Amino acid sequence: DAGVIQSPRHEVTEMGQEVTLRCKPISGHDYLFWYRQTMMRGLELLIYFNNNVPIDDSGMPEDRFSAKMPNASFSTLKIQPSEPRDSAVYFCASMQSSGANVLTFGAGSRLTVL
Amino acid sequence: AQRVTQPEKLLSVFKGAPVELKCNYSYSGSPELFWYVQYSRQRLQLLLRHISRESIKGFTADLNKGETSFHLKKPFAQEEDSAMYYCALSGGNTGFQKLVFGTGTRLLVSP
Repeated sequence: DAGVIQSPRHEVTEMGQEVTLRCKPISGHDYLFWYRQTMMRGLELLIYFNNNVPIDDSGMPEDRFSAKMPNASFSTLKIQPSEPRDSAVYFCASMQSSGANVLTFGAGSRLTVL
Repeated sequence: AQRVTQPEKLLSVFKGAPVELKCNYSYSGSPELFWYVQYSRQRLQLLLRHISRESIKGFTADLNKGETSFHLKKPFAQEEDSAMYYCALSGGNTGFQKLVFGTGTRLLVSP
């Protein structure tokens, strides 16, 4: 298994542009999480899904952020319009509900908004 | 609400010195505590869980419910321990699987 796969690994965009980050969880994992990592705030949980259904999106900063999980093998995190303060590393993680509550993380997507 | 506090952003020690990375939590219930580690150019990964009561790479962590702490310790630091360490808590009003992280502590072990 290739683990949790995220794309793109790096994204540089200009303020106001739409950004879409993608995640493929580990096959068989029924939970998917999106985290944002910054120097100031560390790892913040943005949203998580169980069986493709959003369970808790209270960490999503504002309406500019949206996340979807159309099927068990794919999720997207979209920012529209992007702002410089959105610059961060965005991590996707997945977990199996019978897996002792341990998350497997992707390599992250580093976003820079100019 | 669940909250994890790691008071130190950076901890710098010499090789062979003892290490203690502090973690305090706030949670009204029986939490599950974790330490995750991110080595340079590697993915964030689980280091240890309190319920396993295990020692991984020489690190141990004891859950102290009275002090609401879960400090990570190692008696003799090695250069390869240099990494970013995150304490995390699971459990709470919003669902058992929600994992909340602290802001992280960067450990730097110098030769």
